[in-house]
Amino acid sequence: DQQVKQNSPSLSVQEGRISILNCDYTNSMFDYFLWYKKYPAEGPTFLISISSIKDKNEDGRFTVFLNKSAKHLSLHIVPSQPGDSAVYFCAVKDTGRRALTFGSGTRLQVQP
Amino acid sequence: ETGVTQTPRHLVMGMTNKKSLKCEQHLGHNAMYWYKQSAKKPLELMFVYNFKEQTENNSVPSRFSPECPNSSHLFLHLHTLQPEDSALYLCASSQDSGVGEKLFFGSGTQLSVL
Repeated sequence: DQQVKQNSPSLSVQEGRISILNCDYTNSMFDYFLWYKKYPAEGPTFLISISSIKDKNEDGRFTVFLNKSAKHLSLHIVPSQPGDSAVYFCAVKDTGRRALTFGSGTRLQVQP
Repeated sequence: ETGVTQTPRHLVMGMTNKKSLKCEQHLGHNAMYWYKQSAKKPLELMFVYNFKEQTENNSVPSRFSPECPNSSHLFLHLHTLQPEDSALYLCASSQDSGVGEKLFFGSGTQLSVL
């Protein structure tokens, strides 16, 4: 029973346009939400995060939105660049736990 | 370079072999983790060590045996594995910073069980 779902396994976007990656979760006790990026043959690297007390966090081209009522998390990349092509994982942290629970990932391809 | 080093990067082993995966973190963190990534599946948590003590075992079969001799080193001992255990094994570390704790991952060991 997956607590974190990324329903789109892949996404293709033109360079310069917006990429929107989505993530749904089931547990309202999650208190911290993260996005990781993974290139082939490398481990996931942290990208951006948001705590449950906020609804938006921005870092350069990357913005994460949290909709707690819908239990929905999204990552916006504007403008998208070919170097953004990677697999993106959303991850959540449960209150009182140190480990993260990950979604299955979305493969983003940014076309030049 | 994330500060978390895993060796070997690739490993091929037979079902009767015994091998070990090694992880070392140079970040001064106090928690270490093993995750497993199988094709098209989410990263699955296997074990959590907090200050060298195992705090989580996510119902992992006993053919996987973790060892954490200190806060900087983590091992995963493998014996009599099955072909379905073939996967990318990722080590991670973190420092307790309250709600905003982030995991830092190594590059992983790609394991193939024949």
